[in-house]
Amino acid sequence: AQTVTQSQPEMSVQEAETVTLSCTYDTSENNYYLFWYKQPPSRQMILVIRQEAYKQQNATENRFSVNFQKAAKSFSLKISDSQLGDTAMYFCAFYSYNNNDMRFGAGTRLTVKP
Amino acid sequence: GAGVSQSPRYKVAKRGQDVALRCDPISGHVSLFWYQQALGQGPEFLTYFQNEAQLDKSGLPSDRFFAERPEGSVSTLKIQRTQQEDSAVYLCASSLVGRGGETQYFGPGTRLLVL
Repeated sequence: AQTVTQSQPEMSVQEAETVTLSCTYDTSENNYYLFWYKQPPSRQMILVIRQEAYKQQNATENRFSVNFQKAAKSFSLKISDSQLGDTAMYFCAFYSYNNNDMRFGAGTRLTVKP
Repeated sequence: GAGVSQSPRYKVAKRGQDVALRCDPISGHVSLFWYQQALGQGPEFLTYFQNEAQLDKSGLPSDRFFAERPEGSVSTLKIQRTQQEDSAVYLCASSLVGRGGETQYFGPGTRLLVL
């Protein structure tokens, strides 16, 4: 079974600085997708960034980028130029072609300080 | 267009009561997912529909949980004889087509509290 581990329950960063959130996963699959979702306080979950496992190039979306290390089964999220609106829970998630379910980590609570 | 909506947003039930939670996916989305999110945890998969077909219900924790999507759009998650351990946020998500690593669009969730 696939598992997703986020080892940082809480993190904080000063506004305008850079922060990296860690995620590792365990799978025997070769084809899968990885996601970072953001869940702001009392608001719904939204997709931040997505990576196909077969692509070696790391995904980027504006201030958000990932460091995908397939052999190490690591998928970290880097947020550059942090903004107050980035304060949220961040969930790493795994989806394989062979299953219908998305597996989520326990989340990292990120606080951006002014 | 409108996003995924869920109702009610909050539900308080007495232990033993039956509850029904509704999900309206984005119009035209084929796939629909239900998740359970306990306090301070990530969402956990409950069940998956492709149109009206329930293709996977392996995450449903007991036979007290039942989900349906009879016309391939709106879905209802029903919990019978609720227990305190059922207290959680229930999230619904939809995606455009079938299986695969597509983006899932989440609703705001229904927060269920069983007393």
